[in-house]
Amino acid sequence: GENVEQHPSTLSVQEGDSAVIKCTYSDSASNYFPWYKQELGKGPQLIIDIRSNVGEKKDQRIAVTLNKTAKHFSLHITETQPEDSAVYFCAASTEGGKLIFGQGTELSVKP
Amino acid sequence: DTEVTQTPKHLVMGMTNKKSLKCEQHMGHRAMYWYKQKAKKPPELMFVYSYEKLSINESVPSRFSPECPNSSLLNLHLHALQPEDSALYLCASSQGVRMVNTEAFFGQGTRLTVV
Repeated sequence: GENVEQHPSTLSVQEGDSAVIKCTYSDSASNYFPWYKQELGKGPQLIIDIRSNVGEKKDQRIAVTLNKTAKHFSLHITETQPEDSAVYFCAASTEGGKLIFGQGTELSVKP
Repeated sequence: DTEVTQTPKHLVMGMTNKKSLKCEQHMGHRAMYWYKQKAKKPPELMFVYSYEKLSINESVPSRFSPECPNSSLLNLHLHALQPEDSALYLCASSQGVRMVNTEAFFGQGTRLTVV
């Protein structure tokens, strides 16, 4: 069935370092890939998304890359700050009109 | 205004109670969603409303009953819940009627505890 695998499940970095989270999807028809950040006690917040006709998208310290051939996409956060600490979820659209979420990555940025 | 507002923020209910969760958005979005999220897990889709009509029900037990009174409001009526239904219930909305290829906004959620 449709599936999104996300790695790693936990990630700890020093402030100022880069963080990379990777996702792999199974549905060849997927064409929309959002990333959500969820802080403790809050709902998920969309931080960046990418569509299948684009290979890379950047927004300040955050970038997402997409490899449709390999069916994987990645989130890159540069110059990490303590406020980047949260759980990050990747997601992929399905032909049936739903979003399938990855299992989440708990990012910890140590000052 | 990119806000989805959910009330209440916290709810404790007994297994014989009837309660309702409420969600409101004023972005003119035509699709609204209910998700359930357990601790340290991703959100799981429960229901989708498109143009105020139920378009997707992910085989959710009938003790959960959604309602969309108008394009800005979404309710989730709860009755005879079980302790395993305790979770964070998230509402979301999107401009597109399918949560694909379109930005979706989530509310802060209602933390539900069934005792």
